[in-house]
Amino acid sequence: GAGVSQSPSNKVTEKGKDVELRCDPISGHTALYWYRQSLGQGLEFLIYFQGNSAPDKSGLPSDRFSAERTGGSVSTLTIQRTQQEDSAVYLCASSTTGHLGSYEQYFGPGTRLTVT
Amino acid sequence: QKEVEQNSGPLSVPEGAIASLNCTYSDRGSQSFFWYRQYSGKSPELIMFIYSNGDKEDGRFTAQLNKASQYVSLLIRDSQPSDSATYLCAVGGSYNTDKLIFGTGTRLQVFP
Repeated sequence: GAGVSQSPSNKVTEKGKDVELRCDPISGHTALYWYRQSLGQGLEFLIYFQGNSAPDKSGLPSDRFSAERTGGSVSTLTIQRTQQEDSAVYLCASSTTGHLGSYEQYFGPGTRLTVT
Repeated sequence: QKEVEQNSGPLSVPEGAIASLNCTYSDRGSQSFFWYRQYSGKSPELIMFIYSNGDKEDGRFTAQLNKASQYVSLLIRDSQPSDSATYLCAVGGSYNTDKLIFGTGTRLQVFP
């Protein structure tokens, strides 16, 4: 079956512009995660959606960042008034859930954001 | 104190050798443990997961878990140059969360 897809694969934007990044999870996966990875760095958790529950936004670095998930499927991460420090690869992952709590996450190919 | 710790490496091993990658975690309530491989410029790829103490084998890969010592490892037998990548350890917390905590990864280099 299809994996996690993300679009665009690359995005170059000018400082101060808004950007929207899209994630389409694996069909049937109820949990969706956004991470950020700067060059040579580890994964930075941003936000997590689980079914119809309120999202866990604890990783969002500032109020310029927001995300929504429509219909329990596709998610959009929006960055307003982009700054150069926002340049990174934005990764989306999805997973099923169960009694163990944490199940394996499958990652999309990422969106490379460059703010000039 | 970091929640999931890995040696950043690089860990250099010759082709054909066993590569041993280690990870420690701080949350004693952790229930699930994952190893991801990330090639340069690519996204992480799940290669192993383990939930119970002991060993779990899949091809050339063996995951080892010791909850008492809060330690999880990945062994790669017959290492190949194509195994050269960064290996991320991820740990799932208590029953009431689906979030994983990722280590910063260990870079493995397999030389011919």
